[in-house]
Amino acid sequence: EVQLVESGGGLVQPGRSLRLSCAASGFTFDAYAMHWVRQAPGKGLEWVSGISWKSSHIGYADSVKGRFTISRDNAKNSLYLQMNSLRAEDTALYYCAKDNYLTPTMVDYWGQGTLVTVSS
Amino acid sequence: QSVLTQPPSVSGAPGQRVTISCTGSSSNIGAGYDVYWYQQLPGTAPKLLISVNSNRPSGVPDRFSGSKSGTSASLAITGLQTEDEADYYCQSYDSSLSSVIFGGGTKLTVL
Repeated sequence: EVQLVESGGGLVQPGRSLRLSCAASGFTFDAYAMHWVRQAPGKGLEWVSGISWKSSHIGYADSVKGRFTISRDNAKNSLYLQMNSLRAEDTALYYCAKDNYLTPTMVDYWGQGTLVTVSS
Repeated sequence: QSVLTQPPSVSGAPGQRVTISCTGSSSNIGAGYDVYWYQQLPGTAPKLLISVNSNRPSGVPDRFSGSKSGTSASLAITGLQTEDEADYYCQSYDSSLSSVIFGGGTKLTVL
């Protein structure tokens, strides 16, 4: 059974940093691309970033480009999102998500999410 | 404003058929990129509903079907049930943005 467990969310002041982690199990982690997708309270889904199986292909939404960095450690079956210069508009539930392809294309499994609140 | 446009809401009575549209452009759906559909029940994480335009993952009832034509795609739900009440999102890839893109979501109400 595919399991994606996010951690690292919390309350953070504007301008500060936070690092999200996602522990993956139940599938061959290094054979698939991975994503971070967020959902602001009461809003729709917003793709944040995706990373290919060997980290050679990485993409970001314009809204986070230059501030967020996605990475993965295939030896640890883990996905990360380093979030710097956080803004109030980054407040959202952040989902770790598994792709069914080698490069960022779609999502076939979702975690339960970790909540990030940016507020002073 | 989302690159993929969906109606904010649709509704139907139990047993009826509804469709949800997803309109893109020549840099995403029209460029041949596949469309995926997700269902998000209240208070839960999204779930893959339709893969590669029209394929249903294992466990998804055949009441759900997807199609794609030109720069648009559609999700059809037949024999509406109360448990179908959820938010539905389409998703594709955009070559101009070099990013995965989601529609704004459609809230389905079963009257």
